[in-house]
Amino acid sequence: QQQVKQSPQSLIVQKGGISIINCAYENTAFDYFPWYQQFPGKGPALLIAIRPDVSEKKEGRFTISFNKSAKQFSLHIMDSQPGDSATYFCAAETSGSRLTFGEGTQLTVNP
Amino acid sequence: DARVTQTPRHKVTEMGQEVTMRCQPILGHNTVFWYRQTMMQGLELLAYFRNRAPLDDSGMPKDRFSAEMPDATLATLKIQPSEPRDSAVYFCASGPPPLNTEAFFGQGTRLTVV
Repeated sequence: QQQVKQSPQSLIVQKGGISIINCAYENTAFDYFPWYQQFPGKGPALLIAIRPDVSEKKEGRFTISFNKSAKQFSLHIMDSQPGDSATYFCAAETSGSRLTFGEGTQLTVNP
Repeated sequence: DARVTQTPRHKVTEMGQEVTMRCQPILGHNTVFWYRQTMMQGLELLAYFRNRAPLDDSGMPKDRFSAEMPDATLATLKIQPSEPRDSAVYFCASGPPPLNTEAFFGQGTRLTVV
């Protein structure tokens, strides 16, 4: 029940395209859903996060869509750029507890 | 520029040797996590502390791994004896009060056990 399932495992998009990464969870006690971005040789860094009281959050080219009834959330990267090439992790948490991470998606944006 | 500092960045050791990894959390953060990252398992939580007290170490092999926080500025992860299957990148992360929602990661320690 603590798992977070992420797909796809890898994704290749062309520059300017839309990248979409999906996650699903089981634990309805989760109340915080962040996305982390990791570049090679670096630790993961918070990209954007959402709480379940809203269905969408947008920050620049990055948007989280959240479907509470389906227990799913997704990351959309608009106008994808080669500099967005990285590994993306979704995660979920119950406030005051610890993050449970998805398996990660390796995104490659071709120029 | 506040950041989580991990040492060493790289460690190569022989099987059976003791390995100690250190982490300096961001000043003022009261939650410290240890994660292990491998290609096969992704990011696994090994242990985490709040206000220096261990809250969960269920992800850690107890017979060889130990995690401590001697003080608020230092967290350690020890492996004794080390095995080749321990080869991975070990990340420390810290989180601020009150809800500790965001985890700030260090650059990791890449451990190779030969």
